[in-house]
Amino acid sequence: AQSVAQPEDQVNVAEGNPLTVKCTYSVSGNPYLFWYVQYPNRGLQFLLKYITGDNLVKGSYGFEAEFNKSQTSFHLKKPSALVSDSALYFCAVRDGPSARQLTFGSGTQLTVLP
Amino acid sequence: ETGVTQSPTHLIKTRGQQVTLRCSSQSGHNTVSWYQQALGQGPQFIFQYYREEENGRGNFPPRFSGLQFPNYSSELNVNALELDDSALYLCASSSQGHTGELFFGEGSRLTVL
Repeated sequence: AQSVAQPEDQVNVAEGNPLTVKCTYSVSGNPYLFWYVQYPNRGLQFLLKYITGDNLVKGSYGFEAEFNKSQTSFHLKKPSALVSDSALYFCAVRDGPSARQLTFGSGTQLTVLP
Repeated sequence: ETGVTQSPTHLIKTRGQQVTLRCSSQSGHNTVSWYQQALGQGPQFIFQYYREEENGRGNFPPRFSGLQFPNYSSELNVNALELDDSALYLCASSSQGHTGELFFGEGSRLTVL
């Protein structure tokens, strides 16, 4: 079985400060990990993914995420937050390439304060 | 490149009715998945279609059914609607064998009264 936990429902950060949104996962095989962002009443937009290789992956809009196998974590980061980054962020996992479904976390609401 | 499009964007039904939601996949994508996102929750996998056949299903009852057409577009049908079926229904497309990222439509917001 595959699962994802996002321990923080809400993260607040001042504009210009670094941000981190946390995610931990559980799979039986090799994890395929993803971050998506959702704006109000909209669908999900893909930000970045980790499949294999370098543990630090870079994605859209200046976001990056660090894969940590020993801690089973995949935290989303950005060096300098923008007010426009305010949105709902979802971490998701697929248990290897043959798994049909993405399992999503419950989401973290990021608010960047001006 | 045309993205994933869904219709209708909003609809209201009453308990016991049936509903059909439609999805056109992104150009070049042959796999369609459907997800249910209840208010305040993450999306939950309903099922996936590839080559017009269901090839994966989540923990949803049989009254949730689907179709995929030769042009890779898809329908989600829900029979005997219940109040708890009120949610945002998201369609996502991908290429079979691709490394997993899905491309989502804007969703269909279903309200069951």
